[in-house]
Amino acid sequence: DAGITQSPRYKITETGRQVTLMCHQTWSHSYMFWYRQDLGHGLRLIYYSAAADITDKGEVSDGYVVSRSKTENFPLTLESATRSQTSVYFCASSLTASYGYTFGSGTRLTVV
Amino acid sequence: KQEVTQIPAALSVPEGENLVLNCSFTDSAIYNLQWFRQDPGKGLTSLLLIQSSQREQTSGRLNASLDKSSGRSTLYIAASQPGDSATYLCAVKRVDNFNKFYFGSGTKLNVKP
Repeated sequence: DAGITQSPRYKITETGRQVTLMCHQTWSHSYMFWYRQDLGHGLRLIYYSAAADITDKGEVSDGYVVSRSKTENFPLTLESATRSQTSVYFCASSLTASYGYTFGSGTRLTVV
Repeated sequence: KQEVTQIPAALSVPEGENLVLNCSFTDSAIYNLQWFRQDPGKGLTSLLLIQSSQREQTSGRLNASLDKSSGRSTLYIAASQPGDSATYLCAVKRVDNFNKFYFGSGTKLNVKP
């Protein structure tokens, strides 16, 4: 089924472990984004990508790494997970800057 | 930085009422504005996208207006239904950085049967 999919849906990991959240879209959208959503902070941009091999930091990028070797995939890696990274993570895509976003269903990450 | 404010934070209305949700932004030089709804535990669903050259967009019972000069957008929901209960978020792109949206904190709407 076409769309934007995130995996896993839920993840529990321990402090200090590396964890990767996956995002895959089937539309060949140029832009992809990672946001985290926390109570009291709303949605905050972590990283975005305007095309394959082009990425840029958002407002809360510390402790996160992204890559985009293929247009359709945009994985987000937490290099050494901390409790403060417990959150709901959303991936989004957009055909171009003129278009709106389409969001994935999110990954709920708990760091214990 | 673009600040996006949504007031009220929560709203409870009886079924059938027409209602208006507000979104304010500090920088009037916007590229476009998008309204989303988010159901509990779910992702965001796009409702309407307004380009900076447009004044309004309509989809079914929803109408979104944009007034750049005053830094405001409103989402009008006609004849509200319990199924409209959700959190509504607006997001704004700036002209000088149209690669990303800035989000408001949302208005949580409860429509009572």
